[in-house]
Amino acid sequence: DGGITQSPKYLFRKEGQNVTLSCEQNLNHDAMYWYRQDPGQGLRLIYYSQIVNDFQKGDIAEGYSVSREKKESFPLTVTSAQKNPTAFYLCATSTPGLSTDTQYFGPGTRLTVL
Amino acid sequence: GNSVTQMEGPVTLSEEAFLTINCTYTATGYPSLFWYVQYPGEGLQLLLKATKADDKGSNKGFEATYRKETTSFHLEKGSVQVSDSAVYFCALGSSGSARQLTFGSGTQLTVLP
Repeated sequence: DGGITQSPKYLFRKEGQNVTLSCEQNLNHDAMYWYRQDPGQGLRLIYYSQIVNDFQKGDIAEGYSVSREKKESFPLTVTSAQKNPTAFYLCATSTPGLSTDTQYFGPGTRLTVL
Repeated sequence: GNSVTQMEGPVTLSEEAFLTINCTYTATGYPSLFWYVQYPGEGLQLLLKATKADDKGSNKGFEATYRKETTSFHLEKGSVQVSDSAVYFCALGSSGSARQLTFGSGTQLTVLP
């Protein structure tokens, strides 16, 4: 089954702890993205990676870190420096096309910091 | 920079009513335009897209036409169903090398039987 897997679906952590969210894909897509979604708001880009071993900051990268050691995986670490980490986190992938780069989304992880 | 403005919700309709969700954009160059749908507790699913002016995207009875002259990409459906209840996001694809999407704030649609 081709797709994007995010695990776990729900994650609870204590304040001050780092936590890593998993994103795995078997679509053979080159680019991967992390978004944050807050209630009643659109998606905001945290980090993206267009190729293995390379990634760029998005609009709200502070307090987050990523790695891209394999094409299939793009884990996101929410650090204790992130002031308000409780949110719904979405991973997406895309592959460069001629005129459009449609992004495909995983099911999301809801992180709650207690 | 790029931006997307969506009609504010929530929108509540009766089954079989006509739906329009407005979306306008600001962008440089020639962006691609998308509508995504999000069902409760899930990720986003691509609903339809258009890559150039006057293109019409369509899927599952939904349609949207890329209007460059009015910088709009309004979503329409002739007869909504209860199962269409979801949040709808308009998005703009960067035509530059960054290949990013810029999203609107989303419109919550509730369809009543």
